[in-house]
Amino acid sequence: SQQGEEDPQALSIQEGENATMNCSYKTSINNLQWYRQNSGRGLVHLILIRSNEREKHSGRLRVTLDTSKKSSSLLITASRAADTASYFCATDEGLLTGGGNKLTFGTGTQLKVEL
Amino acid sequence: EAQVTQNPRYLITVTGKKLTVTCSQNMNHEYMSWYRQDPGLGLRQIYYSMNVEVTDKGDVPEGYKVSRKEKRNFPLILESPSPNQTSLYFCASSLRGANVLTFGAGSRLTVL
Repeated sequence: SQQGEEDPQALSIQEGENATMNCSYKTSINNLQWYRQNSGRGLVHLILIRSNEREKHSGRLRVTLDTSKKSSSLLITASRAADTASYFCATDEGLLTGGGNKLTFGTGTQLKVEL
Repeated sequence: EAQVTQNPRYLITVTGKKLTVTCSQNMNHEYMSWYRQDPGLGLRQIYYSMNVEVTDKGDVPEGYKVSRKEKRNFPLILESPSPNQTSLYFCASSLRGANVLTFGAGSRLTVL
């Protein structure tokens, strides 16, 4: 099955700077989601962007989607130490038996925000 | 509080000793799923369930079993655990069609 690939694998920035993470995928999708995972904990949903949308905002988060390039980016503005976490993109392929949607996760970007 | 609860959170066991990781959600979600997370491999789906008595294989089902006898519960069963099943396991759920997953806190399993 396809898997999103995040880039970079790891990112270290100073507090107050912006952090940008990218996700590339291989086939057509219904939507793309971003999740956050604090060390060793469960993932938390951040934002969903549908295939017919190009940009979406939520607080300090900005997500873009380019379906022609099969890529998405997550921008976190004015980062804080509390943003330190791993960030995963997940693509909704809509292929599950029984009519549901399959989410396939990438390998994640580890973000470290230093004081 | 709306949540997905997994137990145990940590477990060390030995090869071949059957174990069950429980998962329960209190949000009346139809869809439930198990993932395993390994370094460099991201999250991979093991099994999923669209509703009671409806389960199907994900990408890495070998060595695992599941059941969905009640809507709220979706246990993961390792009949004969092996060291390659050492991993961090997550249960997740969602409303059917909504597709935004709520995850449990994770269960770290070590098989010696």
